[in-house]
Amino acid sequence: DAMVIQNPRYQVTQFGKPVTLSCSQTLNHNVMYWYQQKSSQAPKLLFHYYDKDFNNEADTPDNFQSRRPNTSFCFLDIRSPGLGDAAMYLCATSRVDRVWGNEQFFGPGTRLTVL
Amino acid sequence: ILNVEQSPQSLHVQEGDSTNFTCSFPSSNFYALHWYRWETAKSPEALFVMTLNGDEKKKGRISATLNTKEGYSYLYIKGSQPEDSATYLCASQNTGTASKLTFGTGTRLQVTL
Repeated sequence: DAMVIQNPRYQVTQFGKPVTLSCSQTLNHNVMYWYQQKSSQAPKLLFHYYDKDFNNEADTPDNFQSRRPNTSFCFLDIRSPGLGDAAMYLCATSRVDRVWGNEQFFGPGTRLTVL
Repeated sequence: ILNVEQSPQSLHVQEGDSTNFTCSFPSSNFYALHWYRWETAKSPEALFVMTLNGDEKKKGRISATLNTKEGYSYLYIKGSQPEDSATYLCASQNTGTASKLTFGTGTRLQVTL
């Protein structure tokens, strides 16, 4: 089945130790998104790639970076995790052209714990 | 309304009860309204994408309505079952940023026997 896969499902890191979260998709969608969801809050868009074009949200901290080496893979790098970065990180994909927006397909998320 | 807001925050019903939740969203520059179901330890799953004022969509026992002029959508579940237990998220999509969704905090539904 075509799907969005996130690895790992649970990640524990230490304060200040860089961490990378991975997302892959078999849907061949042109857009990939990273969301952060803290407890009892709405999923918050961090950034998205439209093909190779990177689109950062204005309030995404510089501590968060992303790479998309090819259509299938997208990575979220947290350079120096703080305690406030503990959250569920959701990856999503969508097939979007310049005019129409479509539903997004989500992975199961990676729950990040910062010690 | 500036943000997407959902109510109630959580809901606990008995099997067989019918229930509904509300999603409020900014009506200006509206393009589409999305509903997702998110079961614990699984991926959020798209239920409906609605674009037209007065739209009503149905999937089995679940249906949704849309009022774009006043900026709200209702999600209804008829005859709730334990497998309906999940968090229900709505998200709005605006013109000009067609690839971006703004989510509400969700309604957490628990259905017990």
